[in-house]
Amino acid sequence: DTAVSQTPKYLVTQMGNDKSIKCEQNLGHDTMYWYKQDSKKFLKIMFSYNNKELIINETVPNRFSPKSPDKAHLNLHINSLELGDSAVYFCASSQRSLGAYQETQYFGPGTRLLVL
Amino acid sequence: SQQGEEDPQALSIQEGENATMNCSYKTSINNLQWYRQNSGRGLVHLILIRSNEREKHSGRLRVTLDTSKKSSSLLITASRAADTASYFCATDGGNTGKLIFGQGTTLQVKP
Repeated sequence: DTAVSQTPKYLVTQMGNDKSIKCEQNLGHDTMYWYKQDSKKFLKIMFSYNNKELIINETVPNRFSPKSPDKAHLNLHINSLELGDSAVYFCASSQRSLGAYQETQYFGPGTRLLVL
Repeated sequence: SQQGEEDPQALSIQEGENATMNCSYKTSINNLQWYRQNSGRGLVHLILIRSNEREKHSGRLRVTLDTSKKSSSLLITASRAADTASYFCATDGGNTGKLIFGQGTTLQVKP
């Protein structure tokens, strides 16, 4: 069974469209994350949720809106897509992320977004 | 700038040789982790070393941590073609509550 799954795996869309990426984890973890990996493989955190509560919100355009309906799911909705949004988006989860102590994170396979 | 910087950016070796990758970071840490990313895949956790540890082993992997120099190294012994991947270090960013990744070392192991 896949521990952290994301859908879709590939997403090709036109500039200006709105799209969503879904993530689910079956590890029973409390914390979930969204990362963006650019073409140079630089991986940067975007958001983190702990038990459905937003705990990390990096400097991300407000066109990006995460939603966590329960602690096993974290979705990412992107409005008015721009060319610069093209990247690979990874979802991850960990057992906890309280304060400074960081546990091991488990990553999904990624969603390759291409904005034309 | 980002927390982790890795060196070298790319490494090409023959199967059976050892591969060493280095990571430097800027702020104090509670732990440092290494991850592997195969082409087109997500990251996979390899090993975690805590700030009070100096060395850790896992199979063919050996990680060292020098907090005085704010650096870590990952050694893969007796490399195999299947070790071909990108390797990232990640730190907890000094009480920021998040993992901060380096830009990675791309390792190619030639059969």
